[in-house]
Amino acid sequence: EAGVVQSPRYKIIEKKQPVAFWCNPISGHNTLYWYRQNLGQGPELLIRYENEEAVDDSQLPKDRFSAERLKGVDSTLKIQPAELGDSAVYLCASSSRDSLYEQYFGPGTRLTVT
Amino acid sequence: QKEVEQNSGPLSVPEGAIASLNCTYSDRVSQSFFWYRQYSGKSPELIMSIYSNGDKEDGRFTAQLNKASQYVSLLIRDSQPSDSATYLCAVNMDNNDMRFGAGTRLTVKP
Repeated sequence: EAGVVQSPRYKIIEKKQPVAFWCNPISGHNTLYWYRQNLGQGPELLIRYENEEAVDDSQLPKDRFSAERLKGVDSTLKIQPAELGDSAVYLCASSSRDSLYEQYFGPGTRLTVT
Repeated sequence: QKEVEQNSGPLSVPEGAIASLNCTYSDRVSQSFFWYRQYSGKSPELIMSIYSNGDKEDGRFTAQLNKASQYVSLLIRDSQPSDSATYLCAVNMDNNDMRFGAGTRLTVKP
């Protein structure tokens, strides 16, 4: 079974530029999560989807961040415009009710904003 | 108060010893608890999940849960240098969102 797929793996952009991250969850997993992880810290939830519905986006900085999960499968997380403080690793994870919400992570996208 | 707290470490143990990692959480109604291992530059990897009070063993790993004390721990027996990593405690909160601790960095010395 394929794991969670993310792209790109690395991204370097200048501040004020836009950037987008893509995630394809494990087949059959209806719950998808986007996390941000700063160095030396645990992952911080940005948004959680149940199928195509965003059920918790309270931690998403909505002035510059947006996300979508069309058709309840793939998801895209966008930042526009990026700021220096957005440099971090962006992780996507998925889970299913059948697996008691054990979350499985993709490899992440390391974003550097210069 | 942080929702999930862990000692940041670093925790250093000799090869073959038992490594003990601890975690406390604030939400009394949490029902699901997880331990993830994260190697440097890699993403978190699920190694244990526990849902009821007591111990759960899987190979060299034992997870322990005490809901009354809001405490969960991970024991690694016969520690190996390959166990050197950061261990993240994660708690599924009442609203079904996962909250992670900052992680404990473990070093196993040969």
